[in-house]
Amino acid sequence: EEQLVQSGAEVKKPGEPLKISCQASGYSFRSYWIGWVRQMPGKGLEWMGVIFPGDSDTKYSPSFQGQVTISADKSISTAYLEWAGLKASDTAIYYCVKTGVAASSRPRHWGQGTLVTVSS
Amino acid sequence: DIQMTQSPSSLSAAVGDRVTITCQASQDIGNYISWYQQKPGKVPKLLIYDTFNLQTGVPSGFSGSGSGTDFTFTITSLQPEDIATYYCLQYESFPLTFGGGTKVEIK
Repeated sequence: EEQLVQSGAEVKKPGEPLKISCQASGYSFRSYWIGWVRQMPGKGLEWMGVIFPGDSDTKYSPSFQGQVTISADKSISTAYLEWAGLKASDTAIYYCVKTGVAASSRPRHWGQGTLVTVSS
Repeated sequence: DIQMTQSPSSLSAAVGDRVTITCQASQDIGNYISWYQQKPGKVPKLLIYDTFNLQTGVPSGFSGSGSGTDFTFTITSLQPEDIATYYCLQYESFPLTFGGGTKVEIK
């Protein structure tokens, strides 16, 4: 059974760094793109970017380029979403999604989401 | 980026009513659109992919149609358990883009 298990909720202060994770199981992690989706409180879904774990090819949506870093460690089937310095506006639920064999493939499976709260 | 204009942003309908939501793409996306249902505090759930294909296990009361730039999602007979926010998603090209969402309520 394919599974994406995300790390737990985080409460951080503005300016602090953060790295959240998404561990995959039940399929060949290196062979499918993994994406990240943001949902701010009470708002809609936003596509942030994707990574191909096989070669770490990464693509970002323009709104998120330079704001976050997506990475993956294929040895432990885990993808990451990282901030160098959080802002209050980064408060949101972040979902990882398994997509397909192309960067524009549709989501096939969703993680349970990680709530990130940034507050002083 | 392809923009997805979803309407209405919210609607209120009676149990048993037919409900229709539309998404208009800013350019031709072929049939590369899917529809999601999200209930409060839950992960989005795939209902329809490739315009009209029903995801396994999804009730037949949900359907999708359209092509090119104009797409429709329909609930044939609204039920209380259908109360949720619905989103379209285009995957014709990267970056994928979601519609703004439609909150469906019972009148």
